[in-house]
Amino acid sequence: QKEVEQDPGPLSVPEGAIVSLNCTYSNSAFQYFMWYRQYSRKGPELLMYTYSSGNKEDGRFTAQVDKSSKYISLFIRDSQPSDSATYLCAMSPSNTGKLIFGQGTTLQVKP
Amino acid sequence: EPEVTQTPSHQVTQMGQEVILRCVPISNHLYFYWYRQILGQKVEFLVSFYNNEISEKSEIFDDQFSVERPDGSNFTLKIRSTKLEDSAMYFCASSGGTGYTFGSGTRLTVV
Repeated sequence: QKEVEQDPGPLSVPEGAIVSLNCTYSNSAFQYFMWYRQYSRKGPELLMYTYSSGNKEDGRFTAQVDKSSKYISLFIRDSQPSDSATYLCAMSPSNTGKLIFGQGTTLQVKP
Repeated sequence: EPEVTQTPSHQVTQMGQEVILRCVPISNHLYFYWYRQILGQKVEFLVSFYNNEISEKSEIFDDQFSVERPDGSNFTLKIRSTKLEDSAMYFCASSGGTGYTFGSGTRLTVV
């Protein structure tokens, strides 16, 4: 079993849709969970940073962590064409340890 | 907003040559990292660096690789004798304990 699994997509939605992106993981030691956005040939850009289980909201973005199910989600409300990118989940057992990334989900938001 | 700066943005080198990739982390961060991403694949951890020494390294980070913090601002990754399979995007990251900030990357092409 892979340490972090993420459906690579691609995922195509119309503008204004709610987008749900998900990752599962196998290592129960993971405590810190992140979502990054990556445009083609650019570096990952941090969107959401959460510790342990629970929800976190920032504007149109909501991150959810369910440690009991080893499942994390990112929701994007009112999606825009500018949200078109690859979304990477990443996690670590500590706040300074190595990050383990998912494969990334490619999202296209059509006008 | 503080950012991680990487140079060069693109480097082409011949197989067997040495390359040095350079990074300027965020000034008040204490933890530094190198990751790489082969085209179409996951972002992979290479090495972490804290207090002027390597704190963790992956299996990829063999004797061909080394890191250095030559002064108070730069952080470098050296590949001694490049191979074709070293062709990838190399990302530097730094952390202050509340998320990891990545640079825009250096695209290394080994020919």
